[in-house]
Amino acid sequence: SQTIHQWPATLVQPVGSPLSLECTVEGTSNPNLYWYRQAAGRGLQLLFYSVGIGQISSEVPQNLSASRPQDRQFILSSKKLLLSDSGFYLCARDRVGTEAFFGQGTRLTVV
Amino acid sequence: KNEVEQSPQNLTAQEGEFITINCSYSVGISALHWLQQHPGGGIVSLFMLSSGKKKHGRLIATINIQEKHSSLHITASHPRDSAVYICAAQVWHSGGGADGLTFGKGTHLIIQP
Repeated sequence: SQTIHQWPATLVQPVGSPLSLECTVEGTSNPNLYWYRQAAGRGLQLLFYSVGIGQISSEVPQNLSASRPQDRQFILSSKKLLLSDSGFYLCARDRVGTEAFFGQGTRLTVV
Repeated sequence: KNEVEQSPQNLTAQEGEFITINCSYSVGISALHWLQQHPGGGIVSLFMLSSGKKKHGRLIATINIQEKHSSLHITASHPRDSAVYICAAQVWHSGGGADGLTFGKGTHLIIQP
């Protein structure tokens, strides 16, 4: 089956702590992978996308980084979280000509 | 860059009412997705549409490619339908690459018993 595993579902982290959100996909090879963020009261916005291993593009400057160490693994990280990093993070994947699939999302609260 | 607009932003209705949520987009797309997000919960993919109409239980999604418009309908609404409904436009390019999806801001639906 074509699924995305994203974890954890919820996370509470103190300001200044590191972050690592992991997304893994099944059922396809060489997918395009995406990280989106939804801040309070706003729509989901693209943070990073990757078309292959080690290839990361960033849409907006921020306190976060992304890595793709394996074809089906996409990681969102931060060295030091800010309060403004709180929000809902969503991993997604697609390939040209196919439908998109979504992880369940991670609700991050930075305190 | 595609712009995706949803309406209404907020909708409160009584149990049993017929619900319509609208989504319009500015650029030709390859597919339109409807997602459901429960309070404090994750995302559930409801539909992917390229044309016409799809039905799943009490949910119906339609799309008009010429008018760049899609609607999500809920028949016989129930309090458990209360959630945020999000539409997302997907564009495929023949050259590959990753354009991702453009999301609407969501419609916050509350169904009162």
